[in-house]
Amino acid sequence: AQSVTQLDSHVSVSEGTPVLLRCNYSSSYSPSLFWYVQHPNKGLQLLLKYTSAATLVKGINGFEAEFKKSETSFHLTKPSAHMSDAAEYFCVVGVFGNEKLTFGTGTRLTIIP
Amino acid sequence: ETGVTQTPRHLVMGMTNKKSLKCEQHLGHNAMYWYKQSAKKPLELMFVYNFKEQTENNSVPSRFSPECPNSSHLFLHLHTLQPEDSALYLCASSRLAGGSTDTQYFGPGTRLTVL
Repeated sequence: AQSVTQLDSHVSVSEGTPVLLRCNYSSSYSPSLFWYVQHPNKGLQLLLKYTSAATLVKGINGFEAEFKKSETSFHLTKPSAHMSDAAEYFCVVGVFGNEKLTFGTGTRLTIIP
Repeated sequence: ETGVTQTPRHLVMGMTNKKSLKCEQHLGHNAMYWYKQSAKKPLELMFVYNFKEQTENNSVPSRFSPECPNSSHLFLHLHTLQPEDSALYLCASSRLAGGSTDTQYFGPGTRLTVL
């Protein structure tokens, strides 16, 4: 069984300040972990994924995430927020061989000018 | 995102209507998915097709009927829907199903409203 918890439903940061979106997961096996972003009226776009290689994963648009097995976390960070980062972010967990990905409930990121 | 297209983008239908959602992927993938995205709820997997064969039906009511004529096209046929079926319906594709390391590419979705 697998599950994912996004600890914040809404995060607001000022433009130019760091972004931290938190995600904890649970999985019976070694997980694959993803972060997707969804802009208004758009589909989901992959930001980055972890698949048991390097624990620090770099994604698009300056985002990165660190897999911490001991903390069962996969938090998403960005050093400096941009207005275009305003969107909904989804943490996702999967297990190899299982077709079902489990999605978190999402974190809405608001950027304050 | 342009690799997966969905039509229509918006659909309003009555409970007695029959309509279909269409998804097309231009990525050469072999697996396609239907998801339901409702407000305040996690994305729900509905169906999975791998090489045109349905491999997953996540306890979806029979008023939703999928069809996958080939690896590039996926349909969702709708009939006698309920107001609670109003949601954003997302299509996705990946190289293969069953390998969660494969990235799923999503379409923009169809916003469905059932009156």
